[in-house]
Amino acid sequence: NAGVTQTPKFRVLKTGQSMTLLCAQDMNHEYMYWYRQDPGMGLRLIHYSVGEGTTAKGEVPDGYNVSRLKKQNFLLGLESAAPSQTSVYFCASSYSRVETQYFGPGTRLLVL
Amino acid sequence: EDQVTQSPEALRLQEGESSSLNCSYTVSGLRGLFWYRQDPGKGPEFLFTLYSAGEEKEKERLKATLTKKESFLHITAPKPEDSATYLCAVQANSGYALNFGKGTSLLVTP
Repeated sequence: NAGVTQTPKFRVLKTGQSMTLLCAQDMNHEYMYWYRQDPGMGLRLIHYSVGEGTTAKGEVPDGYNVSRLKKQNFLLGLESAAPSQTSVYFCASSYSRVETQYFGPGTRLLVL
Repeated sequence: EDQVTQSPEALRLQEGESSSLNCSYTVSGLRGLFWYRQDPGKGPEFLFTLYSAGEEKEKERLKATLTKKESFLHITAPKPEDSATYLCAVQANSGYALNFGKGTSLLVTP
């Protein structure tokens, strides 16, 4: 059981470039989430999904898009990266809304 | 608006020196309060969920308690391997997100 995995672990982008972060879970969880963590701030929810084919906005969705084509995968896309998107991105999953969220190891993104 | 405040921001303890971390919260209808541990460069690792005032949970040297306004994470006789950042989060009855505090960075020295 790998739990929640994220790829890549680290990436450097130039302003305006695009990229996709991949999250995969092998726990058969319905719910998946993308958070970002910045120094001096708590983790903040970007987008979430309550099941395959569904997505919804969280607290800080601007500049990001997501897709959940398969139950086990949740993709986070940056269409045109900005320096303000430099952050550590964490994916999480849970069996339901009321169950514990389990986090992946994170992706560190630097936008120059 | 839901709010979570953790104190202190940083705490340095000698091995064996017990202490408590505080998490004060305001939330419109608490579904659960969560404690996570985060090591440098890693993702948050789940520790406890507390659902109602008066509830307590224990795991090894850690004990979490909950009142209507705050939660405490008590660390008894800590060891250097307990060094980490401890995160507190609340989830409202109506929400999906975990609302996190900024964390308490704990350093336990031998």
